[in-house]
Amino acid sequence: DQQVKQNSPSLSVQEGRISILNCDYTNSMFDYFLWYKKYPAEGPTFLISISSIKDKNEDGRFTVFLNKSAKHLSLHIVPSQPGDSAVYFCAAGPRNNAGNMLTFGGGTRLMVKP
Amino acid sequence: NAGVMQNPRHLVRRRGQEARLRCSPMKGHSHVYWYRQLPEEGLKFMVYLQKENIIDESGMPKERFSAEFPKEGPSILRIQQVVRGDSAAYFCASSPVGVRQPQHFGDGTRLSIL
Repeated sequence: DQQVKQNSPSLSVQEGRISILNCDYTNSMFDYFLWYKKYPAEGPTFLISISSIKDKNEDGRFTVFLNKSAKHLSLHIVPSQPGDSAVYFCAAGPRNNAGNMLTFGGGTRLMVKP
Repeated sequence: NAGVMQNPRHLVRRRGQEARLRCSPMKGHSHVYWYRQLPEEGLKFMVYLQKENIIDESGMPKERFSAEFPKEGPSILRIQQVVRGDSAAYFCASSPVGVRQPQHFGDGTRLSIL
């Protein structure tokens, strides 16, 4: 039972345009969401997070949107750059608890074409 | 390098041998997590530890797998009597104390079983 789903295995975008990566979740106990970027042969790198009390969080070119009623979040990257080409994972953490397991989606491979 | 350190980066074992994976958390981090990633899949939580304590091992297989985080030294993930299905990338992450602190990952150990 996949509690966090990334339905698009891959996405191709032209340099300078917006990249939108989507993620859906089913467990209403999740209240903290994160996006990670992963290059081959490296560990995931933390990008941005959002808690359920917000619907938007922005950090430079990266913005995460959370729609709690739809149990959906998205990551916007604008403008996209070739160096953004990587696999992006969304992850969700449960309510309360300082430090606990994250549940990851299956990832979306982003390719930004020059 | 102040990041999460994992070693070895690559480990080859024959069926029936033991595998030991080591993880040193980031400086100042007292929470350690282990995740496993099978090819073309997302990361799956295995275990969450604090110094000398296993907090949550709900993702650990019931047999052959164990983890520790001693008072001194790195966290160890131990797999006894390895089988082909144990071949995967094993990632360690750490986080500081506090609610909703992002986990930071090491570059993983790629375990191959011959």
